Amino acid sequence: NAGVTQTPKFQVLKTGQSMTLQCAQDMNHEYMSWYRQDPGMGLRLIHYSVGAGITDQGEVPNGYNVSRSTTEDFPLRLLSAAPSQTSVYFCASSYSPGNTIYFGEGSWLTVV
Amino acid sequence: GQQLNQSPQSMFIQEGEDVSMNCTSSSIFNTWLWYKQDPGEGPVLLIALYKAGELTSNGRLTAQFGITRKDSFLNISASIPSDVGIYFCAGQGGGSNYKLTFGKGTLLTVNP
Repeated sequence: NAGVTQTPKFQVLKTGQSMTLQCAQDMNHEYMSWYRQDPGMGLRLIHYSVGAGITDQGEVPNGYNVSRSTTEDFPLRLLSAAPSQTSVYFCASSYSPGNTIYFGEGSWLTVV
Repeated sequence: GQQLNQSPQSMFIQEGEDVSMNCTSSSIFNTWLWYKQDPGEGPVLLIALYKAGELTSNGRLTAQFGITRKDSFLNISASIPSDVGIYFCAGQGGGSNYKLTFGKGTLLTVNP
């Protein structure tokens, strides 16, 4: 059972480049979300999805896009990377709201 | 938006000591969660609390959901070196409010 899988683990981008952080879960979870973690800031919600075809914004959505075409996958897109997006990104999922939320191992992104 | 105040920010203790940390909120939550994060990994759920006044234990860990639904605490008894890490509280509104709000974390260091 792989749980929540994130790729890549590490990435360096130049300002203005685009990239997609992949997230997949094999637990048939309806609820998936993306967080970023910055020193002294805890985890902040970027976007979330309550099921295939449904997404919504979290606390810090600017500069990020998401889509949910399947139950398993929830990619996070940076269209034009900025140094302020240097952070650790975590994908999370749960069977339904209120159930245990499982986190991926994180993706370390540096924008230079 | 909702904010969580988690304290203390960091703790440095001797092995065998008991530890206490807490979170307070400006608004009510229906669920309180406590996570631990080891370096280079994603947060892992330690304890989930679903009812005001609930007191739940998980081994040497004990957590309580405050009566006002605006606070929670986590106690660790007889600390050991592997307790080192960052501990996060998180609150969830419930119902159609799926979002988790995280505290900024408590960094725990245990001196053998």
